[in-house]
Amino acid sequence: DQQVKQNSPSLSVQEGRISILNCDYTNSMFDYFLWYKKYPAEGPTFLISISSIKDKNEDGRFTVFLNKSAKHLSLHIVPSQPGDSAVYFCAASGGNEKLTFGTGTRLTIIP
Amino acid sequence: DAGITQSPRHKVTETGTPVTLRCHQTENHRYMYWYRQDPGHGLRLIHYSYGVKDTDKGEVSDGYSVSRSKTEDFLLTLESATSSQTSVYFCAISESRGVPQPQHFGDGTRLSIL
Repeated sequence: DQQVKQNSPSLSVQEGRISILNCDYTNSMFDYFLWYKKYPAEGPTFLISISSIKDKNEDGRFTVFLNKSAKHLSLHIVPSQPGDSAVYFCAASGGNEKLTFGTGTRLTIIP
Repeated sequence: DAGITQSPRHKVTETGTPVTLRCHQTENHRYMYWYRQDPGHGLRLIHYSYGVKDTDKGEVSDGYSVSRSKTEDFLLTLESATSSQTSVYFCAISESRGVPQPQHFGDGTRLSIL
């Protein structure tokens, strides 16, 4: 049972435009959500997180939105840059230190 | 970058042999984790540790054991490797601050079981 779902395996976006990556979850006990970025042959790198008491968190070009009623979060990257090409994972936790990951979305930024 | 070193970075071995992967941290973080990454599955938690000699199972713990005798080292052992354990293994660490903290990952070990 996949508790965290990333339904788009891949996404292509023109350089300079907005990239929107989506994630859905089913477990209502999740209260902390994260996005990670992963390049080939490297470990995932933490990007941004959000607690369930918020609906938005910004860090530079990255903004995460949380819609608790829809059990949906999204990551917006504006403007998209070639270095943003990577696999993006969303993850969630609920009341403990364990994370549950989605299957990832491969983002390609087209110059 | 968080001070996390995984060794070896690559390993090829045969079915039935024991394999031990090492994760070493220099951050003095309380929590350490082992994940495996496979196509179509994302990252799945194998085992984690919340202190020296304190460990617990994750989602896919069958066939794996762990040990943590020092804060800085977390070992993952495959007692008798099988081909289904061919994967990329990641170690992660996180602090304990009373509120959720992000986990930070090492660069992985690519393990092939022939």
